[in-house]
Amino acid sequence: TQLLEQSPQFLSIQEGENLTVYCNSSSVFSSLQWYRQEPGEGPVLLVTVVTGGEVKKLKRLTFQFGDARKDSSLHITAAQPGDTGLYLCAGTAGNNRKLIWGLGTSLAVNP
Amino acid sequence: NAGVTQTPKFRILKIGQSMTLQCAQDMNHNYMYWYRQDPGMGLKLIYYSVGAGITDKGEVPNGYNVSRSTTEDFPLRLELAAPSQTSVYFCASSYLDSSGPYGYTFGSGTRLTVV
Repeated sequence: TQLLEQSPQFLSIQEGENLTVYCNSSSVFSSLQWYRQEPGEGPVLLVTVVTGGEVKKLKRLTFQFGDARKDSSLHITAAQPGDTGLYLCAGTAGNNRKLIWGLGTSLAVNP
Repeated sequence: NAGVTQTPKFRILKIGQSMTLQCAQDMNHNYMYWYRQDPGMGLKLIYYSVGAGITDKGEVPNGYNVSRSTTEDFPLRLELAAPSQTSVYFCASSYLDSSGPYGYTFGSGTRLTVV
């Protein structure tokens, strides 16, 4: 069974701090996606990474795919209250057409 | 540019009642999915479809049915509602490239309570 473990499960920080959340697996993934979900809404796709070692930036968010394609990280610089939400990672492996989901990291950024 | 539209947003059902959750997408995506999300349990796949006329079970299909008569629409039917089906339901769509399902777009969800 392929699993994606996200850590930490909960994170509460002050505005302006930096943070990193992790998405780890013992399996190799062909691609990995990060989503942000706000209360009462569906997840919104932030980025997809497909190449081992790949780094993508989205304003203050930096996403990295591990060299072995088994893990990924999301780093947020100078967090703002608008970054508050549930961050989910999801991956695909081989010819599997279905995403495998992590349980998410719930982030609260306090003003 | 609507994306994925789900209706209704909220619904309360009595035990044993039936209902259909509607989902429509306007992005010409071949793939469509139904998930349920429960606190601490993550997203669980109920059913999915790879194209019109083709559907398949996900992780938690019991108590649900789907149909896909067109590319755009993918309704989810609940028969004989039970309290265990109290959840938030999300419809999503995607297309497929060489690395797998791509461009996942979710609807805003239907919050269902069965009492």
